[in-house]
Amino acid sequence: DGGITQSPKYLFRKEGQNVTLSCEQNLNHDAMYWYRQDPGQGLRLIYYSQIVNDFQKGDIAEGYSVSREKKESFPLTVTSAQKNPTAFYLCASIGRSNTGELFFGEGSRLTVL
Amino acid sequence: GQSLEQPSEVTAVEGAIVQINCTYQTSGFYGLSWYQQHDGGAPTFLSYNALDGLEETGRFSSFLSRSDSYGYLLLQELQMKDSASYFCAVSSMDTGRRALTFGSGTRLQVQP
Repeated sequence: DGGITQSPKYLFRKEGQNVTLSCEQNLNHDAMYWYRQDPGQGLRLIYYSQIVNDFQKGDIAEGYSVSREKKESFPLTVTSAQKNPTAFYLCASIGRSNTGELFFGEGSRLTVL
Repeated sequence: GQSLEQPSEVTAVEGAIVQINCTYQTSGFYGLSWYQQHDGGAPTFLSYNALDGLEETGRFSSFLSRSDSYGYLLLQELQMKDSASYFCAVSSMDTGRRALTFGSGTRLQVQP
């Protein structure tokens, strides 16, 4: 079945370490997004990519980096510069039809020890 | 910038009807979406309104008034499984990007 796969589902990291979250989609969508969600809060946009080899900063990009070398893949690196990285990270994609429907992966929960 | 406001919590009983309101401020408005999220899970798409009026999908309906920058999600015949957080999200080209900006969410608790 088509969808978005995020890994790992749970990740623990020590302070000062970089960590990369994987996001793969087989929906043939051009646009992909990374959102961060803190407990009891909405989703905030970290980075987005509308086409291969191009990406743009969202509202809270500081301390994060991304790449888009393939249409199917949009990995997110949480760097040591991110001051409060413990959060739920959601990857999403959207098709060309303007229906407002984002397809989400199951999320990656990062905890910094 | 963009902003969305929705109530933080709503409580209702099984079988009842509940309305979750959302007001927004944005430019380059495309449409208003609604998502449901159960604890620990990912958001799932419920509905999208680009034009004024009511869209009905089973027990859920969504309404949009572009002139009032206002929309709502209506849930009928509430079931226990409807207990979740509900987010409104604006699709816009406010900053030259095609992305969704989410509200902070409304936590719905359905009681027996």
